[in-house]
Amino acid sequence: EDQVTQSPEALRLQEGESSSLNCSYTVSGLRGLFWYRQDPGKGPEFLFTLYSAGEEKEKERLKATLTKKESFLHITAPKPEDSATYLCAVQAGTGNQFYFGTGTSLTVIP
Amino acid sequence: DAMVIQNPRYQVTQFGKPVTLSCSQTLNHNVMYWYQQKSSQAPKLLFHYYDKDFNNEADTPDNFQSRRPNTSFCFLDIRSPGLGDAAMYLCATSRDRGLQPQHFGDGTRLSIL
Repeated sequence: EDQVTQSPEALRLQEGESSSLNCSYTVSGLRGLFWYRQDPGKGPEFLFTLYSAGEEKEKERLKATLTKKESFLHITAPKPEDSATYLCAVQAGTGNQFYFGTGTSLTVIP
Repeated sequence: DAMVIQNPRYQVTQFGKPVTLSCSQTLNHNVMYWYQQKSSQAPKLLFHYYDKDFNNEADTPDNFQSRRPNTSFCFLDIRSPGLGDAAMYLCATSRDRGLQPQHFGDGTRLSIL
């Protein structure tokens, strides 16, 4: 069964304490992997697309990487404004099916 | 600057009373999606339109319908809402059905009394 799993479910960091979020997937025919940020009461905001293993994308304090089985979202020296839920989604198969993970809720404490 | 706009942001309806949620986009994207998201859960795709071509997910209840009268607008109709339909409903668009990121609105929070 096609599946996307994110870990941890929740993460609390001190401001400046770097860490990584994980998105692992078991799908047939990966087309691409997307990372989104979702603030409470808002829709997901697009961050990155990764297409193939070995690819990396960066934006400010965020860096996304992709292997054949998982993706990591690395957060370097986070600030309180980075607090949000981070969702990953995988597009796969001939029908371009979209599968979302349940997200990691990140809290950065000043 | 909002590119995917959902109205209303909050909707309260009574058990069994039909309700319609609306979504408009200024991106001129071909594909529009409707998702249901419950607390601490992943967004669940209900259906999508590729232009005028309607695509229903296999497990979407018959209670949920959609209309797309033109490129810019898409509606979600819930014919007889039950308590289990209380959720955030998210509209998203993408330029095409291929490998394209989806752009989301801020959602409509639906409550059922």
